Amino acid sequence: DAGVIQSPRHEVTEMGQEVTLRCKPISGHNSLFWYRQTMMRGLELLIYFNNNVPIDDSGMPEDRFSAKMPNASFSTLKIQPSEPRDSAVYFCASTFGPEAFFGQGTRLTVV
Amino acid sequence: KQEVTQIPAALSVPEGENLVLNCSFTDSAIYNLQWFRQDPGKGLTSLLLIQSSQREQTSGRLNASLDKSSGRSTLYIAASQPGDSATYLCAGGPMADSWGKLQFGAGTQVVVTP
Repeated sequence: DAGVIQSPRHEVTEMGQEVTLRCKPISGHNSLFWYRQTMMRGLELLIYFNNNVPIDDSGMPEDRFSAKMPNASFSTLKIQPSEPRDSAVYFCASTFGPEAFFGQGTRLTVV
Repeated sequence: KQEVTQIPAALSVPEGENLVLNCSFTDSAIYNLQWFRQDPGKGLTSLLLIQSSQREQTSGRLNASLDKSSGRSTLYIAASQPGDSATYLCAGGPMADSWGKLQFGAGTQVVVTP
């Protein structure tokens, strides 16, 4: 298996623009997680899905952030409008059992 | 809320020395504990998972222990190599039905010098 696949790997956008991050979990995994990593706050859970259903979005910082999982093999995290403080590395992870597997991340820079 | 602390924040050792990385957590209701490695600009690579009923796990030169009563986990890396240079993160999972809902420590940055 190719592991968790995220795209794009790097994204530079201007403040106010819409940004969409994409994730393909490992085939057969039934839970998907979006994390954000910053120097100041480390790794934080934003939202997670079980069987494509959002279970806990309490980590989503604001209404500007939204996430969807239309099917078992694809999820998106959207930021609209983006702000400079959204600059971070966004990770997607998936699980079927107790071990979590992470993607390579998307480095987002909002200028 | 579970808080995870990793000490030390940074560690530099000569090649061949054993590494000891510490992780402490505030809530003993932790269900499992996972150690990850992160290389600069890269994702997280899972190293070891210790499940609730286990006390330790071993993989090659790596050994991780979990003591829920004291709220501690330790990662040992034997005979360190320059290729072990990376940031090591521990993360605790709170309950069985939300595997992957992890609380991370800030990490220990390790440098192994030749």
